[in-house]
Amino acid sequence: AQSVTQLDSHVSVSEGTPVLLRCNYSSSYSPSLFWYVQHPNKGLQLLLKYTSAATLVKGINGFEAEFKKSETSFHLTKPSAHMSDAAEYFCVVSDQSLAGTGRRALTFGSGTRLQVQP
Amino acid sequence: ETGVTQSPTHLIKTRGQQVTLRCSSQSGHNTVSWYQQALGQGPQFIFQYYREEENGRGNFPPRFSGLQFPNYSSELNVNALELDDSALYLCASSLGVASSSYGYTFGSGTRLTVV
Repeated sequence: AQSVTQLDSHVSVSEGTPVLLRCNYSSSYSPSLFWYVQHPNKGLQLLLKYTSAATLVKGINGFEAEFKKSETSFHLTKPSAHMSDAAEYFCVVSDQSLAGTGRRALTFGSGTRLQVQP
Repeated sequence: ETGVTQSPTHLIKTRGQQVTLRCSSQSGHNTVSWYQQALGQGPQFIFQYYREEENGRGNFPPRFSGLQFPNYSSELNVNALELDDSALYLCASSLGVASSSYGYTFGSGTRLTVV
């Protein structure tokens, strides 16, 4: 079975300071890992994904994440927060194959709400 | 290239009623997944449709059912609505058979309120 734990439900930073959103995962197989962002009243937007290539993954809007198998972590970082980064962030794991297609369901963490103070 | 379109955007239903939510997948995508996102929680997988058949299901009762049409669009049907069914329902489309070819595009969701 797969699961995701986002270690902080809320994170507050000042504009221009670094962002760290923490995620630990549990997986029976080699997982694929994602970070999605959800702005109010909007759908989910993919920030970045890890699929067993480079362990340091760069995404959109200056975000990046590092896959650490020994720590079962996939923390999201950004060097300098912007006001527009305020949103809900979800860490997601996918490793369960759905029969017949090789496609897999996504398991979401409970989310981290990022606040950016001016 | 169009994205994923869901309708309606908001809906209010009475407990015990039935509801149908609709999703048009992104152009070229042949797989549709549905997720339920309760307030303050992460989305939870309901089921996935591929080639017009249900292909994987999460921990949801049979009163949650769906359809996929030849044009890959999809419907989510919920019978005998309960108050706990109030949530944001998200549709995601994708394409690809290789395990690394994940490209899930999400719609903006349908906000269902059961009273």
